[in-house]
Amino acid sequence: SQKIEQNSEALNIQEGKTATLTCNYTNYSPAYLQWYRQDPGRGPVFLLLIRENEKEKRKERLKVTFDTTLKQSLFHITASQPADSATYLCALTLMDTGRRALTFGSGTRLQVQP
Amino acid sequence: DTGVSQDPRHKITKRGQNVTFRCDPISEHNRLYWYRQTLGQGPEFLTYFQNEAQLEKSRLLSDRFSAERPKGSFSTLEIQRTEQGDSAMYLCASSLGGVSMNTEAFFGQGTRLTVV
Repeated sequence: SQKIEQNSEALNIQEGKTATLTCNYTNYSPAYLQWYRQDPGRGPVFLLLIRENEKEKRKERLKVTFDTTLKQSLFHITASQPADSATYLCALTLMDTGRRALTFGSGTRLQVQP
Repeated sequence: DTGVSQDPRHKITKRGQNVTFRCDPISEHNRLYWYRQTLGQGPEFLTYFQNEAQLEKSRLLSDRFSAERPKGSFSTLEIQRTEQGDSAMYLCASSLGGVSMNTEAFFGQGTRLTVV
């Protein structure tokens, strides 16, 4: 079956450290992978998009990698701050299914301790 | 433009009643999506419009759910004969893109539905 897996356990780190979140997928061939941030009671907010022919993308303190062989994306937040505490969702666009909507993982909650 | 707007923000209804939610997307966006999200889960795809055409509907979507996007602008999602299992956050998103282009989706704040 097709799955998008994110670590369901919350990730707790100290302020200033690098947070690394993982997104694994099976039986998909995504053309694009996106990362979103979601705060409690709010809608998701777009962070980064990476295409299947890109290995890495950066934006300020954020970095995303995309390994289509391992079927994995890693999302890094460097110099983390308490304000980075939120749930982070990965989402795929599945061109081979014809679906033009994003399919989301269940998200990983990040808690940055001051 | 202030982004994607959803109304109402909260809705409490009795089991068996019908409810309707509205979504106003970003004005130039041709794509509109509805998702449902329960606690601890990611958004689950419900349906998708390109302009006024409903191009896809999730197989998980019961016949009690219907969505429209008249004139390719705002959209409504109706749930008939609500059940307690329908309690969730209903999210609307919009994006700009052609058939093969994929760009970021902009989400509204959601409508929290509670069925009692």
